Amino acid sequence: DAMVIQNPRYQVTQFGKPVTLSCSQTLNHNVMYWYQQKSSQAPKLLFHYYDKDFNNEADTPDNFQSRRPNTSFCFLDIRSPGLGDAAMYLCATSRDRGRVTDTQYFGPGTRLTVL
Amino acid sequence: DAKTTQPNSMESNEEEPVHLPCNHSTISGTDYIHWYRQLPSQGPEYVIHGLTSNVNNRMASLAIAEDRKSSTLILHRATLRDAAVYYCILRDEGVSTGNQFYFGTGTSLTVIP
Repeated sequence: DAMVIQNPRYQVTQFGKPVTLSCSQTLNHNVMYWYQQKSSQAPKLLFHYYDKDFNNEADTPDNFQSRRPNTSFCFLDIRSPGLGDAAMYLCATSRDRGRVTDTQYFGPGTRLTVL
Repeated sequence: DAKTTQPNSMESNEEEPVHLPCNHSTISGTDYIHWYRQLPSQGPEYVIHGLTSNVNNRMASLAIAEDRKSSTLILHRATLRDAAVYYCILRDEGVSTGNQFYFGTGTSLTVIP
């Protein structure tokens, strides 16, 4: 089945040690998103890629970066994780942007723990 | 995007219908109403969406008030697998960049056996 895959499902890192989370998709969708979801909170959009065009949300900290080397893969880099960055990180895709009826397809998420 | 208001939590008995309300009093004429749900330890998944008319699919029904200031997601027979957080989201047809979702707080549905 076509899907959005996130690896690893659980990631432990140390305070200040850079970490990379990965997302891949077999849907061939143009848009890929990264969300942060802290405990008992709703997902919060960090940024999205439309093809190779990167779009950052205004309140996303500079500590968070992203790369999309090709259509299928997208990475979330946290340059210096702090304790407040411990969260579930969700990757999602949609076929296009600017089409409000498009469905977003989410991966299962990566649970990040910062020690 | 316009904001939505949902109850924090609701309970339902198994195999009974569930009506999950959402208020969106500042909705614009071009806002679509989307519902997603998030099962425990999973990413959100699409449930249904609509603009003005009531909508049905295999998962649920969406009833939209005539003035569009509120909507209700209807699960016709709740099962234990329906226990999840349900998010009501507005998307503006007039926004030409991005397909961003700004999630509200959602309703945590508990299904009682």
